[in-house]
Amino acid sequence: EIVMTQSPATLSASPGERVTLSCRASQGLINNLAWYQQKPGQAPRLLIYFASTRATGVPARFTGSGSGTDFTLTISGLQSEDSAVYYCQQYNFWPVFTFGPGTRVDIK
Amino acid sequence: EVQLEESGGGLVQPGGSLELSCAASGLTVTNSYMNWVRQTPAKGLEWVAIIYADGKTYHADSVKGRFIISRDISENTVHLQMTSLRVEDTAIYYCARLDWATTSGAFDLWGQGTRVSVSS
Repeated sequence: EIVMTQSPATLSASPGERVTLSCRASQGLINNLAWYQQKPGQAPRLLIYFASTRATGVPARFTGSGSGTDFTLTISGLQSEDSAVYYCQQYNFWPVFTFGPGTRVDIK
Repeated sequence: EVQLEESGGGLVQPGGSLELSCAASGLTVTNSYMNWVRQTPAKGLEWVAIIYADGKTYHADSVKGRFIISRDISENTVHLQMTSLRVEDTAIYYCARLDWATTSGAFDLWGQGTRVSVSS
């Protein structure tokens, strides 16, 4: 069973700051990892796939990196609309897909 | 516009059954890898089931033998037949497309979700 962990559980930062979210897998994923953003009352939105490729329409301030078991999502120049929960998801072990527990980003 | 719209959620007693539907527009379900993903405050996002473009299906261990994913080609709709429902199946159920061609496994399109409550 693949276990995904994310840290921190919650972070609070000011507009303009750079924040880093971490995602760790219990087994190697190569680069088969996605990141999603979810705002209250909405479905998740795909941000990043293949660990570092931005999905269509995603602003350049969102950057994904990492491979194997350790991955990072960086938001540079935090904006108020970035307040959301961010989830990572592995898709290396088809047809089982696993999400992390999420990191909530609050804007001060 | 490409979109997914779920329906069929509601309140059901433990042991009961419910069928969810996901109507697709702007895409063809037979050309897509369609999924059900559920979300609860306690367990977060949990993948439930997938139906491949070629019709193969797979289900999460937590629902295997109780839930069945299927599709109706004429209606361009994906279904989730849920039986022997448990309290822990209470969740928002999302229909989601897996973009195999571009991402190899990420969910690029989601519906708005339908709420299922299992309670006596």
